[in-house]
Amino acid sequence: QVQLVQSGAEVKKPGASVKVSCQTSENILIGQYVHWVRQAPGQGPEWMGWINFNSGATDYAQKFQGRVTMTRDTMTRDTSIITVYLEVSRLRSDDTAVYYCARRSEIPLAFYQHWGQGTLVTVSS
Amino acid sequence: IVLTQSPGTLSLSPGERATLSCRASQSLSSNYLAWYQQKPGQAPSLLIYGASSRATGISDRFSGSGSGTEFTLTITRLEPEDFAVYYCQHYTATPYTFGQGTKLEL
Repeated sequence: QVQLVQSGAEVKKPGASVKVSCQTSENILIGQYVHWVRQAPGQGPEWMGWINFNSGATDYAQKFQGRVTMTRDTMTRDTSIITVYLEVSRLRSDDTAVYYCARRSEIPLAFYQHWGQGTLVTVSS
Repeated sequence: IVLTQSPGTLSLSPGERATLSCRASQSLSSNYLAWYQQKPGQAPSLLIYGASSRATGISDRFSGSGSGTEFTLTITRLEPEDFAVYYCQHYTATPYTFGQGTKLEL
């Protein structure tokens, strides 16, 4: 059973940064990538980028480059639990959204079988 | 690639058939299109991938069709739990994008 467990809701002021975590487990069948998708109120989902939690490689949507950083927990692991992070800086009111981490199925293509529960980030003065 | 879904809202009754459309601004190679269902307060849930393949555990009342730039999600014999918002997503290349959604309401 693949699980993705995210950190709790955040309230931030404009201009601040937020860091959201996503805990998951190693699973050879579904690969090494965790994607981040956000959804503003009443809107469709929006893909933000991915991180390879083994190599640390990332790919960000152009819209978010320079303002988004995806990282992984680099502490030595003796378990199969992995934590990845999404940091968004210089927050604006239109960054208010639910942020999801997601992973693919056993088919190596970027549609999402497994989702975290979502983290609501509210940006308000 | 921009995905445009229609209609924005679809009002039907249990037992009826729903037809949802997703149009891509350019042809999707290998029909790399997925459909998701989303209920309030929940993450999207995968229904269809590859335009027409049902995900594991999905009822055969859900079917996907189409190719190129025109895709359709059909739901037959609507049940109360089917009333939700549906999104399409392409995964041909980054940036992956989603449609704006179709709300299926009673």
